[in-house]
Amino acid sequence: DAEITQSPRHKITETGRQVTLACHQTWNHNNMFWYRQDLGHGLRLIHYSYGVQDTNKGEVSDGYSVSRSNTEDLPLTLESAASSQTSVYFCASSGQGGTEAFFGQGTRLTVV
Amino acid sequence: AQSVAQPEDQVNVAEGNPLTVKCTYSVSGNPYLFWYVQYPNRGLQFLLKYITGDNLVKGSYGFEAEFNKSQTSFHLKKPSALVSDSALYFCAVISSGSARQLTFGSGTQLTVLP
Repeated sequence: DAEITQSPRHKITETGRQVTLACHQTWNHNNMFWYRQDLGHGLRLIHYSYGVQDTNKGEVSDGYSVSRSNTEDLPLTLESAASSQTSVYFCASSGQGGTEAFFGQGTRLTVV
Repeated sequence: AQSVAQPEDQVNVAEGNPLTVKCTYSVSGNPYLFWYVQYPNRGLQFLLKYITGDNLVKGSYGFEAEFNKSQTSFHLKKPSALVSDSALYFCAVISSGSARQLTFGSGTQLTVLP
């Protein structure tokens, strides 16, 4: 079965370190997204991609970057981790317009 | 810009009673509307969607939602709630225009009391 997986599931890192969260999907979807989930804010869009070599900033992109070198993967990098980036991160993918997005299980990141 | 409002942070309902979780939206163009459910320490699971056609859409686990264009609403409903329905529910929207990214509401915690 097709799926979308995130790794690691849990991560503790120190302030100022660079961190990369992985996202891999086998749906062959063109669209991929990164969201963060914080209490009281729901899910907020960080970055998204509509295809290989395409990346776009979302609502809360400061301090984050993504790259899309193939269809399956959209890694999220925190350039210099800050305590404000402690959150649960979700990756998602979707097909053509109007189709639902499928979500990974999430990565809980703690910055100390 | 597109946005979603879920006016209730918390909804409590007794088991066996009908439940409603409210959602209103704002988009330019025609909306594609979605409901997702999240159980503790899990990702989001798709419940149902409205793209076009019948205003009442049916989804997983006995849930349904009614699209009301004049009120820009897409409320989630279930005729008889189960304790196992207790979870966090998110409404989301995409404009039928060029945007493909979902915009989510802040979520509603549903608690079904035995």
